Amino acid sequence: QKEVEQDPGPLSVPEGAIVSLNCTYSNSAFQYFMWYRQYSRKGPELLMYTYSSGNKEDGRFTAQVDKSSKYISLFIRDSQPSDSATYLCAMSAGGGSNYKLTFGKGTLLTVNP
Amino acid sequence: IAGITQAPTSQILAAGRRMTLRCTQDMRHNAMYWYRQDLGLGLRLIHYSNTAGTTGKGEVPDGYSVSRANTDDFPLTLASAVPSQTSVYFCASSATGKNSPLHFGNGTRLTVT
Repeated sequence: QKEVEQDPGPLSVPEGAIVSLNCTYSNSAFQYFMWYRQYSRKGPELLMYTYSSGNKEDGRFTAQVDKSSKYISLFIRDSQPSDSATYLCAMSAGGGSNYKLTFGKGTLLTVNP
Repeated sequence: IAGITQAPTSQILAAGRRMTLRCTQDMRHNAMYWYRQDLGLGLRLIHYSNTAGTTGKGEVPDGYSVSRANTDDFPLTLASAVPSQTSVYFCASSATGKNSPLHFGNGTRLTVT
């Protein structure tokens, strides 16, 4: 079993839809969880950052972490064509140990006008 | 604008040739990283540096070398390129300590023929 599993998609939704992106992981030591967004031919950019279990909301984006199930999610409400990108989950065991950041393979999302 | 600058943006290289990918950051981050991104494999860490003067090996270091003479620059060298090193290379940096996300450059697309 890989350390981080992410459904590669592609995922295609109509504008205004609620999008759910998910990752599962096997390493119970992970406690820092991130979502990155990557536009075509660009570098990844940090979208959400959460510590341990719980929810974090930022505008139309909500990140959820369920450590008991080793499952994290990113929800996008009222999706827009500008949300079309690849979304990468990432996680690490300890803050400051970023060289051990483990990425999912990314999910390609297309939001159709 | 603060950030990470990578050069060149793309390169076609003959097998056996030596190549250095350049990376410069102006955020005064202590830590810097090199990743390669391949379809179906995601982002994989090649080398990292926690502070100027120190470097470490990541997940896929073979065939690559790095140096960190100062805080701002972190070049990646392919001593003798092989076709399997065809990839998109991303440089990243982060401040040390907790809650320190990675900031990525926009990548170098390298094709080894």
